[in-house]
Amino acid sequence: SQKIEQNSEALNIQEGKTATLTCNYTNYSPAYLQWYRQDPGRGPVFLLLIRENEKEKRKERLKVTFDTTLKQSLFHITASQPADSATYLCALDRGSTLGRLYFGRGTQLTVWP
Amino acid sequence: GAGVSQTPSNKVTEKGKYVELRCDPISGHTALYWYRQSLGQGPEFLIYFQGTGAADDSGLPNDRFFAVRPEGSVSTLKIQRTERGDSAVYLCASSREAHNEQFFGPGTRLTVL
Repeated sequence: SQKIEQNSEALNIQEGKTATLTCNYTNYSPAYLQWYRQDPGRGPVFLLLIRENEKEKRKERLKVTFDTTLKQSLFHITASQPADSATYLCALDRGSTLGRLYFGRGTQLTVWP
Repeated sequence: GAGVSQTPSNKVTEKGKYVELRCDPISGHTALYWYRQSLGQGPEFLIYFQGTGAADDSGLPNDRFFAVRPEGSVSTLKIQRTERGDSAVYLCASSREAHNEQFFGPGTRLTVL
């Protein structure tokens, strides 16, 4: 079965620093990898999608990398702000499974002033 | 436009009862997903609809769980003979088509006493 590990349950950083979150997976290689943000009591919100043939994707202060050899994705938030505090979920789409997503447990990010 | 909506937002029921959870996806989205999320975990896939048909129901835990989408828009997740272990947040998501970003609703928090 697909196994997804996110580096830690919690990450605390100071405002202005870069937050780096890790997502490692085993077994099957995903065709797509997505990152979502989830706030308490809310549903996940899509942030970025990267395809297996892409190395890097950027959107404003966010950057995602995808290394299919290492079976790893890194998610970076530069110039972090307290408003970035949330849980970040990594999700894999194997491509062959009709778009169902396999989610990691998430990393809870806290950015302190 | 309106996002994905789910009703009720909270549902408390007794063990053995039947419950129905409703999802209104974004208009025009053909793909609809149900996930279940327990505390501290990522969403866990239950079922995927493409149009009116269940294209993948491999995530349903047992035959007490059933879902329908009769007209290709609104979907209802039905749980018979509820058990305490069914307590979780049930999330619905829709997307324009498979392998795209998924838009999640706020979820229904189900508590089985």
